[in-house]
Amino acid sequence: GQNIDQPTEMTATEGAIVQINCTYQTSGFNGLFWYQQHAGEAPTFLSYNVLDGLEEKGRFSSFLSRSKGYSYLLLKELQMKDSASYLCAVPRYNQGGKLIFGQGTELSVKP
Amino acid sequence: EAGVAQSPRYKIIEKRQSVAFWCNPISGHATLYWYQQILGQGPKLLIQFQNNGVVDDSQLPKDRFSAERLKGVDSTLKIQPAKLEDSAVYLCASSLTDRGQETQYFGPGTRLLVL
Repeated sequence: GQNIDQPTEMTATEGAIVQINCTYQTSGFNGLFWYQQHAGEAPTFLSYNVLDGLEEKGRFSSFLSRSKGYSYLLLKELQMKDSASYLCAVPRYNQGGKLIFGQGTELSVKP
Repeated sequence: EAGVAQSPRYKIIEKRQSVAFWCNPISGHATLYWYQQILGQGPKLLIQFQNNGVVDDSQLPKDRFSAERLKGVDSTLKIQPAKLEDSAVYLCASSLTDRGQETQYFGPGTRLLVL
């Protein structure tokens, strides 16, 4: 089966750096996605990792370690608008694009 | 580029009533998904279409939920009859595969409240 774990909520200060962790257990691996979801809105794509290492995209970076079944999303220079839920998701192996989502990490950015 | 469109955005019904949601995917996206997202949880897949065919509906409660994508573009999801536990946001997503990576793009969702 597949299982994804991430913290339920985190709080950080504007201008700081925050790391949101995700651990997963899958039979087979086809990459890992991070999505951002503001309250009442649709999830929006942030990143996709399929190889080990860090991928940087502006203030957001995503890291993957396949051997450890571990990923993190790193947010730098936090802004108030970064307050949102961050969802970690993995595709079901060999079952097309069907995504299995974690419960999401609710990030609150304080002034 | 226009995103995934969904309607209605909000719906309130009483239990045992019926309801239908509509989704128009991004133009050219062959794959369409319906997800159910209960408050405080991640989205859970209900059904996946490839063009007008069902790829996976193993998680769809078929006694009350049905979905179709007759012409391989728009899709509708229906609940008949609704139960209290169906209160959730219903998200539609469509996807594009580029250089081996499939990325799903989500619509704004339909927020359903069953009283």
